[in-house]
Amino acid sequence: AQSVAQPEDQVNVAEGNPLTVKCTYSVSGNPYLFWYVQYPNRGLQFLLKYITGDNLVKGSYGFEAEFNKSQTSFHLKKPSALVSDSALYFCAVRDGNRDDKIIFGKGTRLHILP
Amino acid sequence: KAGVTQTPRYLIKTRGQQVTLSCSPISGHRSVSWYQQTPGQGLQFLFEYFSETQRNKGNFPGRFSGRQFSNSRSEMNVSTLELGDSALYLCASSSTGTGGFETQYFGPGTRLLVL
Repeated sequence: AQSVAQPEDQVNVAEGNPLTVKCTYSVSGNPYLFWYVQYPNRGLQFLLKYITGDNLVKGSYGFEAEFNKSQTSFHLKKPSALVSDSALYFCAVRDGNRDDKIIFGKGTRLHILP
Repeated sequence: KAGVTQTPRYLIKTRGQQVTLSCSPISGHRSVSWYQQTPGQGLQFLFEYFSETQRNKGNFPGRFSGRQFSNSRSEMNVSTLELGDSALYLCASSSTGTGGFETQYFGPGTRLLVL
C-alpha cells in the first residue's frame, strides 16, 4: 500500500533563510508526487508535482522540490523564506501504475519568523 | 475560469441528523474527489467520482455516501451524524481523473460542526 510521511509537525525558519519541508513516500509502482499549501480557513492550493523527467521540479511562489528515488524522498525547498510562506504544507503521493487514490501526509506547519 | 465552489461554507448540525454538502467543479472537469480534514487525522480521502461513477473509496463507514450528476456537480451525504464527523470537508476537481498525474484543484471547504 502507498504511504507518505512528513516527519516534522512544525518547521521554524527565519525570514530570508532557506527552508526545507521533508517528505518521504512508499509506493509499489512509479510515484506521482505533489505538494500543496493551505492558508488559514482556505482550501489547498497546488504548488508543484513530479511525474517523470528532471528530478528538480519548480513550482509556484518560488518553491521547488527534489525527487530522490534512492531515498524515496520529495523534499520541498525555497532559497529564501518569506513571512507570507507561513502556512500548512501537505505532501501527497499516488501510485502511477495503479488507478488508486491519492494519499496525503499529515502536514507540516511552516512558521517564518520575521 | 471560476474555481471549485462548495456550499454551504459553514454548517451546524446535531447528532443523529443528516447533512448534504455540494461541490461544483471547475468547468470542464469531470473528476471530483472528497476529503475530510480534522486536526487529529489530517486529510483523509473519502471518495472520487468520474463521469457519475465512483472510482475510488476511502475507509469510511457507510454513513458517508456521495454521487455525481451529469453536469459533474457532486454531493456528499452523511447520515446519522456523530460528534466525530465535525471537520472541514474539502472537494477537489481535476480534468480527467485518470492516469493519476492530473492536478487537483480544491474548493474552500465546508466546515461542519456537530453538536
